[in-house]
Amino acid sequence: DTGVSQDPRHKITKRGQNVTFRCDPISEHNRLYWYRQTLGQGPEFLTYFQNEAQLEKSRLLSDRFSAERPKGSFSTLEIQRTEQGDSAMYLCASSLGGGQSHTQYFGPGTRLTVL
Amino acid sequence: AQTVTQSQPEMSVQEAETVTLSCTYDTSESDYYLFWYKQPPSRQMILVIRQEAYKQQNATENRFSVNFQKAAKSFSLKISDSQLGDAAMYFCAYTGDKIIFGKGTRLHILP
Repeated sequence: DTGVSQDPRHKITKRGQNVTFRCDPISEHNRLYWYRQTLGQGPEFLTYFQNEAQLEKSRLLSDRFSAERPKGSFSTLEIQRTEQGDSAMYLCASSLGGGQSHTQYFGPGTRLTVL
Repeated sequence: AQTVTQSQPEMSVQEAETVTLSCTYDTSESDYYLFWYKQPPSRQMILVIRQEAYKQQNATENRFSVNFQKAAKSFSLKISDSQLGDAAMYFCAYTGDKIIFGKGTRLHILP
């Protein structure tokens, strides 16, 4: 079991640039979640997928953010026209099963710094 | 709207002692789940313990146990025989219609 992996681990970009992050969930997990975590705060839910279907998006996910999970395997989170306020740790998690009862397994996160 | 509150930003405990981290939440739902996650410095978040709201019995995992008071909407975590490896941020999380994490409690273990 390789766990949840995320790539890259760190990303530094200039304001206005686009960035894309990748998450590879645990292979048999059908749910995949994206969170944003800023310093001193808990994770804030952004969106989640059940297989390839994106079932919920937070109001935090502005139209500059888009997430995909083609074929229900890995997922990508893209931020267009980055702003300094986008600087944060972006966490991915996966779980097995269709309900909210299932434990989420987190990846190491991608730390984004927008200059 | 659901909320999760962790009122203790930081706590310290002597090694081998017992410490309790508090968490309160607000919801109008009857079916939900509560979790405690641990996030060690620069490491991945991992599950400590979970509780189903429909179960009255408090969950226990080795040295970790919860005091779940559904009517009071309280979900505290007790760590017994604290060890140096317990030092971390601890997050209380609610999952029901929404997924909500508290702001966390940083736990220091004093040798």
